[in-house]
Amino acid sequence: KQEVTQIPAALSVPEGENLVLNCSFTDSAIYNLQWFRQDPGKGLTSLLLIQSSQREQTSGRLNASLDKSSGRSTLYIAASQPGDSATYLCAVIGVGNQFYFGTGTSLTVIP
Amino acid sequence: DTGVSQDPRHKITKRGQNVTFRCDPISEHNRLYWYRQTLGQGPEFLTYFQNEAQLEKSRLLSDRFSAERPKGSFSTLEIQRTEQGDSAMYLCASSLTGTGYSPLHFGNGTRLTVT
Repeated sequence: KQEVTQIPAALSVPEGENLVLNCSFTDSAIYNLQWFRQDPGKGLTSLLLIQSSQREQTSGRLNASLDKSSGRSTLYIAASQPGDSATYLCAVIGVGNQFYFGTGTSLTVIP
Repeated sequence: DTGVSQDPRHKITKRGQNVTFRCDPISEHNRLYWYRQTLGQGPEFLTYFQNEAQLEKSRLLSDRFSAERPKGSFSTLEIQRTEQGDSAMYLCASSLTGTGYSPLHFGNGTRLTVT
């Protein structure tokens, strides 16, 4: 069974700092990897989707990379803002057609 | 595209009662997923549909849980004889699957509290 791990579990940074969130997965036979943001008490908002054939995707201040062979993905957030405070989750989908989620990284950006 | 909608947003019920949740996916999406999430955890897979067919069901899903997706449109998740351990956020998501996988889109969830 696919296992997804996210490190760190929580992160606190001052406003304006660049930061990296990590996601690792045990089975490299994935179709794609998706990063989400979740605000307290809300559903998940899709941030970026990386197909298995891609190495990275960018959207605004966000950049996600994927290294399938090593089972790792990173989400880079540039020039962090207090509005970026949320929990960030990664999910992978592979054989079996299920999305497997990590437990998330809780990010706090201090003004 | 109005997004994935779930109803109700919150449900408080007494132990032993039955509850039913509804999910309306993005209209052209053929895949619909149900997940459960507890505090501090990532979403946990429950079941998914491709059109009206329920293709997979988690082994964690007891026989008190049942889901339907008649006509391949909206879906309902019913929990019979609720227990306190069923208290969680129930999330619905949809995607369009053809030759590849499109992004998964989530609703805002139904928060269930069993007293």
